[in-house]
Amino acid sequence: NAGVMQNPRHLVRRRGQEARLRCSPMKGHSHVYWYRQLPEEGLKFMVYLQKENIIDESGMPKERFSAEFPKEGPSILRIQQVVRGDSAAYFCASSDGTSGGYNEQFFGPGTRLTVL
Amino acid sequence: DAKTTQPPSMDCAEGRAANLPCNHSTISGNEYVYWYRQIHSQGPQYIIHGLKNNETNEMASLIITEDRKSSTLILPHATLRDTAVYYCIVRVFSDYKLSFGAGTTVTVRA
Repeated sequence: NAGVMQNPRHLVRRRGQEARLRCSPMKGHSHVYWYRQLPEEGLKFMVYLQKENIIDESGMPKERFSAEFPKEGPSILRIQQVVRGDSAAYFCASSDGTSGGYNEQFFGPGTRLTVL
Repeated sequence: DAKTTQPPSMDCAEGRAANLPCNHSTISGNEYVYWYRQIHSQGPQYIIHGLKNNETNEMASLIITEDRKSSTLILPHATLRDTAVYYCIVRVFSDYKLSFGAGTTVTVRA
């Protein structure tokens, strides 16, 4: 019974490159959430997706960041033209969506992005 | 606009109970109290949640004051593996956004 899986666990990019972070939700979960944790700070909500739909992207920067959760395959958080300020831990969580907004969110181990 | 206030850190002796306080004086009637923890380099882990009654599960107990303005998470027999940052979160049942503050860094010492 695998939990939420994220890859890569560590990602190093140079300024201006693209970063792609992947998240496979728990089996049976169709709701995915992305959070970002900057150094020495708490996690901040970025985006909430269901299969093929973005439900709420209010926490995601308007430029350079995008997210998708296709019908098949993992959810992808994409950061274009990365800058040093994007260095952070990015966590994905999933839920089964059966109880409205309550559903307990199960978190993955995170991807630590370092921008040189 | 922090909804909760927690002490920044606390130490606990291994095998003893750890009592983690949280103030949420502006909590609304439809908001629940949730606790998560984050062990170093891992994703947050759900611990417990409650509305107004005390709750207990295999990990911890949650004591909520009658006026609901504060609560205490109790780890009954702390182990070294309980060393983590503990987050107290107040949220409406239907709100999917988890807002993590600074939390309390708990260090369990042998």
